[in-house]
Amino acid sequence: DIQMTQSPSSLSASVGDRVTITCRASQDINYYLAWYQQKPGKVPNLLIYAASTLQSGVPSRISGSGSGTDFTLTISSLQPEDVATYYCQKYNSAPLTFGGGTKVEIK
Amino acid sequence: DVQLLESGGGLVQPGGSLRLSCAASGFTFANYAMNWVRQAPGKGLEWVSRIGGSGTITYYADSVKGRFTISRDNSRNTLYLQMDALRAEDTAVYYCAKGQSGGQAAALNYWGQGALVTVSS
Repeated sequence: DIQMTQSPSSLSASVGDRVTITCRASQDINYYLAWYQQKPGKVPNLLIYAASTLQSGVPSRISGSGSGTDFTLTISSLQPEDVATYYCQKYNSAPLTFGGGTKVEIK
Repeated sequence: DVQLLESGGGLVQPGGSLRLSCAASGFTFANYAMNWVRQAPGKGLEWVSRIGGSGTITYYADSVKGRFTISRDNSRNTLYLQMDALRAEDTAVYYCAKGQSGGQAAALNYWGQGALVTVSS
């Protein structure tokens, strides 16, 4: 099975900082990569699919890139409402494996 | 609006069984693949199972294969997860999640509020 590895597992940044989270697949998954945001005590929310397509309603400061095995989620200017754990997920075929998550906090 | 409402969670002893339900509304249920995803307390997300729109194609995580059964009743717009031979490590919040399409390759664009399953003696 394909493994999904996220890094870092946590980060602390200041408001306005540029934040980058990476996700690596152990095999080529083309562009079948999604990113989810889970705020504390809340349900996960789809942010990005097809590696770089923003889900409706997601602010434009959030973006995704990559294909094949290496992917990136970028928050161009970190805001207090971005405090959350972020997960990547492969969905080209079962199992639809999630990465381990990246917890983002405000410094 | 799309709504997914899980029910059936609770406390069960190791080795016991439980059936989760997920009532769907706001979309043509039969046209979309559906999934179960779980989250153990303080841990990350773990995909559990997927079923295609017609109900004939199913997939499972290795951790639940042979113990859990996913099914759907398109006439009732309801998704199910039958969980047998439960273990302590199955303790988690179980979310039902809608696929973006009926195909296999679909991200999860709507999630229910979750149902807590606790396996303990």
